[in-house]
Amino acid sequence: DVKVTQSSRYLVKRTGEKVFLECVQDMDHENMFWYRQDPGLGLRLIYFSYDVKMKEKGDIPEGYSVSREKKERFSLILESASTNQTSMYLCASSYGQVYGYTFGSGTRLTVV
Amino acid sequence: RKEVEQDPGPFNVPEGATVAFNCTYSNSASQSFFWYRQDCRKEPKLLMSVYSSGNEDGRFTAQLNRASQYISLLIRDSKLSDSATYLCVDKSRAAGNKLTFGGGTRVLVKP
Repeated sequence: DVKVTQSSRYLVKRTGEKVFLECVQDMDHENMFWYRQDPGLGLRLIYFSYDVKMKEKGDIPEGYSVSREKKERFSLILESASTNQTSMYLCASSYGQVYGYTFGSGTRLTVV
Repeated sequence: RKEVEQDPGPFNVPEGATVAFNCTYSNSASQSFFWYRQDCRKEPKLLMSVYSSGNEDGRFTAQLNRASQYISLLIRDSKLSDSATYLCVDKSRAAGNKLTFGGGTRVLVKP
C-alpha cells in the first residue's frame, strides 16, 4: 500500500512563526497536494506539484509556500503563521491521471 | 454555486437498512468521480470510483447521472462501521489530477 507520512500529528505554534509541514510518500508518485480542511468549508486545495521543483497554486495559496526538492517530499511552509491558519492540513499523492489520491493522516495545526 | 454540492446530513440509518444520497456537480464536462470515506478526525480514504456505467462493490453502489449532473451512493445492509462522512469528488479540472471535493454527507448508523 502507498504510504503518505506527515511529520507531525499535532502542532501548536505562535502567531508570526515560520512553520514547516513535511510530507513524504513512498511510492514514487509524481503528483502531490496540500489541502486544508475546516468545518463547513470542506477540503480546499492550497498548492500542488506534478514534478520535482514544480509547484502550482491551488484555490487558497495566500500565506503559504511549498517546496519540492525531491520527488518523495513535499513541504508546506507558513511564512508567518496567523490564527486563521489554524486548521487540519492534509497531504496527498497520486499516480497519473486515472487514480484517486492517497492521503496522509493529517496535521492538526493550532496557531495561538 | 459550489462545484460539488452535498447534503451535509446527518442521515440517521437503522442498522441493516439501506441509505442513499446524492451529490451534484456543476461542470457538465466532468467525466471522473470518486467517493471517499472519512472517519472522525481521520484522513479521507478512497471508497470507490464512479464509472459512467455505474459501479458496485459489495454493499456499496455508485451511479452517475450525466443528464441531471449528479452521482449517488447507495449502501445496503448498513453496518455500524459504515458511520462516517462520505465525500463526493469530481476530477475534471483541465489541468488534470486535481480533485474537487464536496463538503461531505454524514451518515450515522444506529443499532
